[in-house]
Amino acid sequence: EVQLVESGGGLVQPGGSLRLSCAASGFTFSSYEMNWVRQAPGKGLEWVSYISSSGSTIYYADSVKGRFTISRDNAKNSLYLQMNSLRAEDTAVYYCAREAMIVVVDYWGQGTLVTVSS
Amino acid sequence: QSALTQPASVSGSPGQSITISCTGTSSDVGGYNYVSWYQQHPGKAPKLMIYDVSNRPSGVSNRFSGSKSGNTASLTISGLQAEDEADYYCSSYTSSSTLLYVFGTGTKVTVL
Repeated sequence: EVQLVESGGGLVQPGGSLRLSCAASGFTFSSYEMNWVRQAPGKGLEWVSYISSSGSTIYYADSVKGRFTISRDNAKNSLYLQMNSLRAEDTAVYYCAREAMIVVVDYWGQGTLVTVSS
Repeated sequence: QSALTQPASVSGSPGQSITISCTGTSSDVGGYNYVSWYQQHPGKAPKLMIYDVSNRPSGVSNRFSGSKSGNTASLTISGLQAEDEADYYCSSYTSSSTLLYVFGTGTKVTVL
């Protein structure tokens, strides 16, 4: 069974940092592209970042470029999102998402809530 | 790059059919057959319902179907059931230099 389990969310002050992790199991993690997608409270989905299966290709949404860094460790079946210079507008549930094919997410984690507030 | 445009809400009675639209541009919906639809129940993660405009993943009911015409994609739910009440989001590949995915604004489906 495919499982994606996020962790690392919490309350952080504006300007602070947080590192999200996503533990993957039930599939060959190293064969899949992965994404982070977020959802602000009561709002819609917003794509945040993409990383190819090998980690060699990375994309970011303009809203997080220069502040967030996506990475993965295929030996540990894990995906990460390092978030720096956090702003109130980064408050959201962050989902780890497996990409089955071009811009198609077939599995999502349960999400981890990041709250940026003083 | 703005989000794809969806109606805020659509409603129908059990057994009826409803259609949700998703309007973009030639840089996303109109330019590629990479439109997906996701269902999201409150407090839950999204679930893939349709991919590549009209393909259903294994396990998704055939009451869900997708189509596209020009810059507008559509999701039709036939034989509406109580469990279909949820938020629905479309998404598309985009040639925008600032995004990889673009999502729709979301539609709340209410079963009357």
